[in-house]
Amino acid sequence: EVQLVESGGGLVKPGGSLRLSCAASGFTFSAYSFNWVRQAPGKGLEWVSSISSSSSNLHYADSVKGRFTISRDSAKNSLYLQMNSLRAEDTAVYYCARGRTTGTTPSWFDPWGQGTLVTVSS
Amino acid sequence: DIQMTQSPSTLSASVGDRVTITCRASQRISTWLAWYQQKPGKAPKLLIYKASSLESGVPSRFSGSGSGTEFTLTISSLQPDDFATYYCQQFNTYPYTFGQGTKLEIK
Repeated sequence: EVQLVESGGGLVKPGGSLRLSCAASGFTFSAYSFNWVRQAPGKGLEWVSSISSSSSNLHYADSVKGRFTISRDSAKNSLYLQMNSLRAEDTAVYYCARGRTTGTTPSWFDPWGQGTLVTVSS
Repeated sequence: DIQMTQSPSTLSASVGDRVTITCRASQRISTWLAWYQQKPGKAPKLLIYKASSLESGVPSRFSGSGSGTEFTLTISSLQPDDFATYYCQQFNTYPYTFGQGTKLEIK
């Protein structure tokens, strides 16, 4: 079964850091691109970051550029999001999502993990 | 950045109704568009990819159409399980962007 499971969320103070993880199983991890998408409480979906299958192409939303870093480890079948200098407006459920196609073709997101909640508050 | 605008933001309908949700892109995106369904407390679920391709396992009452800047998601006969929030997403150009969502409510 293709599955993504996020972890690492929690309560953090403004200015603090957190590292999210996404464990993948049921498919060849190294063949696919991955993405992080967040959803603030009661709000819509916001794309955060993407990483290509080879890690050679990284993309970030302007709202997190310079503060968040996406990475992946094929030996561990895991995706990561290092979040630094956190702000109250980063409070959201963070989802990891796999790109559906392999290679460099633009790709929609499927499947998605169940999400992990990050709360930034003093 | 490409802006995605969905309409309506809220839609009230009854079981058995035919409903259509529109998504407009601020720039041409060919058919690089997906539709997702989200229920409260759950992750989004893929319905349609490349504007009109039905994801495996998704009921055939869902359909998508459009290209360029205008896209639609149609549900031919609403079922109780379809009341949820729907999002379009462009994956033509980074930053990938979502529409603001359309909440489909029971009338």
